[in-house]
Amino acid sequence: EVQLVQSGAEVKKPGESLKISCKGSGYSFTSYWIGWVRQMPGKGLEWMGIIYPGDSDTRYSPSFQGQVTISADKSISTAYLQWSSLKASDTAMYYCARHVGTDYAGGFDYWGQGTLVTVSS
Amino acid sequence: SYVLTQPPSVSVAPGKTARITCGGNNIGSKSVHWYQQKPGQAPVLVIYYDSDRPSGIPERFSGSNSGNTATLTISRVEAGDEADYYCQVWDSSSDLYVFGTGTKVTVL
Repeated sequence: EVQLVQSGAEVKKPGESLKISCKGSGYSFTSYWIGWVRQMPGKGLEWMGIIYPGDSDTRYSPSFQGQVTISADKSISTAYLQWSSLKASDTAMYYCARHVGTDYAGGFDYWGQGTLVTVSS
Repeated sequence: SYVLTQPPSVSVAPGKTARITCGGNNIGSKSVHWYQQKPGQAPVLVIYYDSDRPSGIPERFSGSNSGNTATLTISRVEAGDEADYYCQVWDSSSDLYVFGTGTKVTVL
């Protein structure tokens, strides 16, 4: 069974750093892109970026380029999303999702349960 | 950047048909995927590559895509279909994944 299990909720202060994780199981982790999606409170889905764990090829949405870093450790089938200096506006639910299909045009077939990040002083 | 526009809300009576549109410039030339998101839950893929259904998704869910509009159709709507629905494409010109604005489906 394919599963993406994300790390637990975080409460941080502005300016702090954070790294959240997404562990894949039940499939070849290195053979599928993993995307990250933000959902701010009461809002829609926003694509942040995507990584191919096989070679760590990474793409970012211009809206998030320079604001976050996406990485992966294929030895433990885990993808990461990190911030070096959080802002209150980073408060949101963050989802990882497995990209399906043999080309870039595919969708996201399996999703993690989400990690709620709250940034407040 | 590429924009996908969805109606904010659609209301439908049980047993009837709901149609959710996703508008984008020449969207018919792209592959469209649809997600269902219930309150407090992660999104679920319900249609991929315009009209394919993942295993476990009822046949009541179908999709089409042509011209400037893609459509998700839910036939014989049930109370459990009440959720937010998002369309999504990959824009090859910018190499970006784009989600639609989302549609809240209410079952009357």
